[in-house]
Amino acid sequence: QQQVKQSPQSLIVQKGGIPIINCAYENTAFDYFPWYQQFPGKGPALLIAIRPDVSEKKEGRFTISFNKSAKQFSLHIMDSQPGDSATYFCAAGVGGATNKLIFGTGTLLAVQP
Amino acid sequence: GAVVSQHPSRVICKSGTSVKIECRSLDFQATTMFWYRQFPKQSLMLMATSNEGSKATYEQGVEKDKFLINHASLTLSTLTVTSAHPEDSSFYICSATQARGLTEAFFGQGTRLTVV
Repeated sequence: QQQVKQSPQSLIVQKGGIPIINCAYENTAFDYFPWYQQFPGKGPALLIAIRPDVSEKKEGRFTISFNKSAKQFSLHIMDSQPGDSATYFCAAGVGGATNKLIFGTGTLLAVQP
Repeated sequence: GAVVSQHPSRVICKSGTSVKIECRSLDFQATTMFWYRQFPKQSLMLMATSNEGSKATYEQGVEKDKFLINHASLTLSTLTVTSAHPEDSSFYICSATQARGLTEAFFGQGTRLTVV
């Protein structure tokens, strides 16, 4: 119940394409869903996050779509660039005292020039 | 965003020795810090949660006597890997949150530990 399932494991798109990464969860207590970007040898950096009271959130070229009934959420990267090539992790957490995040398995994205 | 600094970024130690990794929140007070372990091409696995001034809470399967966590101040948490073995070689990452009730977590740059 604590798992967050992420797909695909890897993804290759052409520059300008729109990669989509999907995540699914079971625990209905989760109320915070962030996406992180990680470059090799570096810590994850927060990209964008959403809470269950909205179905979509946009920040720059990054969009999260959230489907509460299906317990799924996804990341869309508009007009992808080679510099977006990285590993992307979704996560889910419960607010309050613990603030603990459960991470998905990661998606390695390659954006080809 | 808030800055979390982790030190060292890389460390090599001999089997049987101990190594300490520091995690500092530079521009905010971190009531809670988290320690993760990441194997190559894998996800982040939460090891423990530490709250300032109290004992860390370890995840199932993590040896608390081997991975000592201290959160002595609102800006510093340390992870000490005791009696290190080659299988402890990994990428260790800390994160910090600014206040109770918020879930925005800011990550350090990670520490690559190699035990030889």
